Amino acid sequence: GQQVMQIPQYQHVQEGEDFTTYCNSSTTLSNIQWYKQRPGGHPVFLIQLVKSGEVKKQKRLTFQFGEAKKNSSLHITATQTTDVGTYFCAGRVFGNEKLTFGTGTRLTIIP
Amino acid sequence: NAGVTQTPKFQVLKTGQSMTLQCAQDMNHEYMSWYRQDPGMGLRLIHYSVGAGITDQGEVPNGYNVSRSTTEDFPLRLLSAAPSQTSVYFCASSTPGLNPGELFFGEGSRLTVL
Repeated sequence: GQQVMQIPQYQHVQEGEDFTTYCNSSTTLSNIQWYKQRPGGHPVFLIQLVKSGEVKKQKRLTFQFGEAKKNSSLHITATQTTDVGTYFCAGRVFGNEKLTFGTGTRLTIIP
Repeated sequence: NAGVTQTPKFQVLKTGQSMTLQCAQDMNHEYMSWYRQDPGMGLRLIHYSVGAGITDQGEVPNGYNVSRSTTEDFPLRLLSAAPSQTSVYFCASSTPGLNPGELFFGEGSRLTVL
């Protein structure tokens, strides 16, 4: 079955440093989504990427979708304490509405 | 704006007991799903539904039943709880179509099986 892996599992950074999490799928995806989950909270949608090679930005966050539509990344520039949480990618394959989540990357910030 | 509502928020069961986790959404979403979240394992899909009367299995369906009699409700049943089902459960819904949109999550139900 479809598998979605994320690395790293944990990342500790000093406030102001950059952060990147990578997502890899075993199958080609129709689209990929990213979610953020604050400690004790529920996942909240950040963005969806659909096109091969697509790059989208949200303020300090940059999302990329690979050319082969099997990998993606999320990069945060100059992290802030509000960025703390677990970041998940989630992918769909063509013709199937179910969303498979990656294992997540937990980001902690050292003030 | 209620969104996705899950009940109960917390539940403690003894091994072998049964219970139902309730999920309701008021956004007229056709697609609904249940995930469980365990440390280090992300969110794993249990069951999902693309509309009333239609359900399908996800990655980890064993030990769980679902039904979808209305668009709004998607209950998850544990017939005979086991300690391995101790987890946080999330219900989520989205709009359907060729390019389904974002998932809207409930606040979660924390289940402990002793």
